[in-house]
Amino acid sequence: EAGVTQFPSHSVIEKGQTVTLRCDPISGHDNLYWYRRVMGKEIKFLLHFVKESKQDESGMPNNRFLAERTGGTYSTLKVQPAELEDSGVYFCASSQANYEQYFGPGTRLTVT
Amino acid sequence: KQEVTQIPAALSVPEGENLVLNCSFTDSAIYNLQWFRQDPGKGLTSLLLIQSSQREQTSGRLNASLDKSSGRSTLYIAASQPGDSATYLCAVFEYSNYQLIWGAGTKLIIKP
Repeated sequence: EAGVTQFPSHSVIEKGQTVTLRCDPISGHDNLYWYRRVMGKEIKFLLHFVKESKQDESGMPNNRFLAERTGGTYSTLKVQPAELEDSGVYFCASSQANYEQYFGPGTRLTVT
Repeated sequence: KQEVTQIPAALSVPEGENLVLNCSFTDSAIYNLQWFRQDPGKGLTSLLLIQSSQREQTSGRLNASLDKSSGRSTLYIAASQPGDSATYLCAVFEYSNYQLIWGAGTKLIIKP
C-alpha cells in the first residue's frame, strides 16, 4: 500500500512568487491534514479536510494560503504571494477511523 | 489551550544505554498520543500510538507509556544504537479539535 506522498520535496522561490504544494493521501483515507514547521518552532496544525470539505482551517496563517481537495482525493496548498516567514517544512498527513495519522515526507519551502 | 512539552530538548548517550524521553501535556482530554521520529531532512515516522484508554504500547526496543490523569507520557528506548539518533516528537490528538498538538522534540544522539 502506497503511503502519503508530497510534491515537490523542496521548493525555492522568491518573495512575492506563488507556490503550490501537493499531497496525495493514502487511498481510502477520508481525513487529510496539513501541518507546518518553521525553523526553531513546533509543528503547527494548518487545516483538516474530511473528504472534500474543510473541517477546520483555524490554523491557516492568513489569506495568502489557500487549500483545496479536489473530489476528496489529493490536496493542494497554494501560497500567494509568498513571504519570507512562510519558509519551513510543510507536512501532509492522512487518517481513517482510528485517527492514527500517517505522514508524508514533507515539502521544504524556502522563500528568498 | 493544550500545551505539549518535551524534556530534555537534547540528549547524548553512549551506545547500549537504556534511556527515557519525556512528554507532558496540560489538558488530559485527549483521544490518543503518538510518538514520532524525524531524521535530518526527512519526514515523520510514526513509532507508537497510545489510545487514551491504554497505558502502554510496545514495538521492538521501544515502549511508550501514558498516564493521562497526570498528563505524562514516556518513551523508553532499550539498548540504544547509533541508528536511533534522530529527533523524537510527541503529539496529542484532541478529539474536540481533530488536530495533533506537538511538542518541540528531543534531539537524541547515540555515540558509538
